Amino acid sequence: GESVGLHLPTLSVQEGDNSIINCAYSNSASDYFIWYKQESGKGPQFIIDIRSNMDKRQGQRVTVLLNKTVKHLSLQIAATQPGDSAVYFCAENRGPTGANSKLTFGKGITLSVRP
Amino acid sequence: ETGVTQSPTHLIKTRGQQVTLRCSSQSGHNTVSWYQQALGQGPQFIFQYYREEENGRGNFPPRFSGLQFPNYSSELNVNALELDDSALYLCASSLGLADTGELFFGEGSRLTVL
Repeated sequence: GESVGLHLPTLSVQEGDNSIINCAYSNSASDYFIWYKQESGKGPQFIIDIRSNMDKRQGQRVTVLLNKTVKHLSLQIAATQPGDSAVYFCAENRGPTGANSKLTFGKGITLSVRP
Repeated sequence: ETGVTQSPTHLIKTRGQQVTLRCSSQSGHNTVSWYQQALGQGPQFIFQYYREEENGRGNFPPRFSGLQFPNYSSELNVNALELDDSALYLCASSLGLADTGELFFGEGSRLTVL
């Protein structure tokens, strides 16, 4: 069936290193993808999004890459900091036009930053 | 802080009971969506309200129902609670019905059904 999923459940990185979190999606019709960060006891927080007509988008210390050929999405975090420790979710919008809230989330990956 | 507030933060119910969860959206936002997040899972879309009307629903039974009020705050009601309803219920607000755009999530209401 259709799914949005993450390859690994946990990722441990050294503070200061770059982090790469990967995500696979199966719905080739999806055209909008988002990364969220969820800290313990809080709701998901928007990080960055990308449309399917783009391959790459950069934010502050974060970059999202989209490979539509293999239906793969990745989030790169530069110079990872302790405050980046959280669960990260990729999500896609499978709703019809005007449905920005109908997101399908993956299961999440925990990023742990070692001091 | 996202400006989205939810209440209560935690509650415990027993099977068969009913529960009402509340959400105040960020100022100026007219769209509210509800998500269910089971432990260790990603959020799952329940339904969305836009200007007091339901605008889409996920794969949840009719015992999950909602309301949106003229001030755009919202309620999620769950009847005949089951053990599997135990989860974190998240409310998210946004402006309008664009294809894209940031959702602002509250911190959730943690429901435990015994």
